[in-house]
Amino acid sequence: DGGITQSPKYLFRKEGQNVTLSCEQNLNHDAMYWYRQDPGQGLRLIYYSQIVNDFQKGDIAEGYSVSREKKESFPLTVTSAQKNPTAFYLCASLGVGTYGYTFGSGTRLTVV
Amino acid sequence: QKEVEQDPGPLSVPEGAIVSLNCTYSNSAFQYFMWYRQYSRKGPELLMYTYSSGNKEDGRFTAQVDKSSKYISLFIRDSQPSDSATYLCAMRLNSGYSTLTFGKGTMLLVSP
Repeated sequence: DGGITQSPKYLFRKEGQNVTLSCEQNLNHDAMYWYRQDPGQGLRLIYYSQIVNDFQKGDIAEGYSVSREKKESFPLTVTSAQKNPTAFYLCASLGVGTYGYTFGSGTRLTVV
Repeated sequence: QKEVEQDPGPLSVPEGAIVSLNCTYSNSAFQYFMWYRQYSRKGPELLMYTYSSGNKEDGRFTAQVDKSSKYISLFIRDSQPSDSATYLCAMRLNSGYSTLTFGKGTMLLVSP
């Protein structure tokens, strides 16, 4: 079955650590997106990529970094510079001729 | 003025009721309109999509877009407890890889 796989489902980070969230898709979609979801704030765009080896900052990119070395993969690194990283992170993709994103199941990151 | 406004709810209804969920938006250039359903701790799933103004029906769900009023609606007939979820409206500018703009979501609770 085609879809987006996010891992891990739950992640705990100590203060000062960098962590990387994985996002893999087998839908052959060109564009991929990272969103952060906080209670009462909706979905906020972190980074997006429309083609391999290229990506753009979204509305809240500070403290995050991404790479897009392969079409199928778009990992997100939450750096120690991100002051409030505890949130639910969602990866999505979009292909030619599709109307809306396909989302992964999310990663819940907690700072301990 | 926020780009997309959506009442957060919660909206509580008895089983079998007709549910109306709504969003208003400010950018008249939006052309593609979507509704996502998100269960707790899961990724959003695409429920309905429409292009420009008009209605679209799929089973118990009907999506309406009124571009002149900048208003979109999702109607759920014969609501079921399994419909209890958060419903997110989303919209975007064109058919390329433009990013989606989301409402904050309305929580729906359907009681047996």
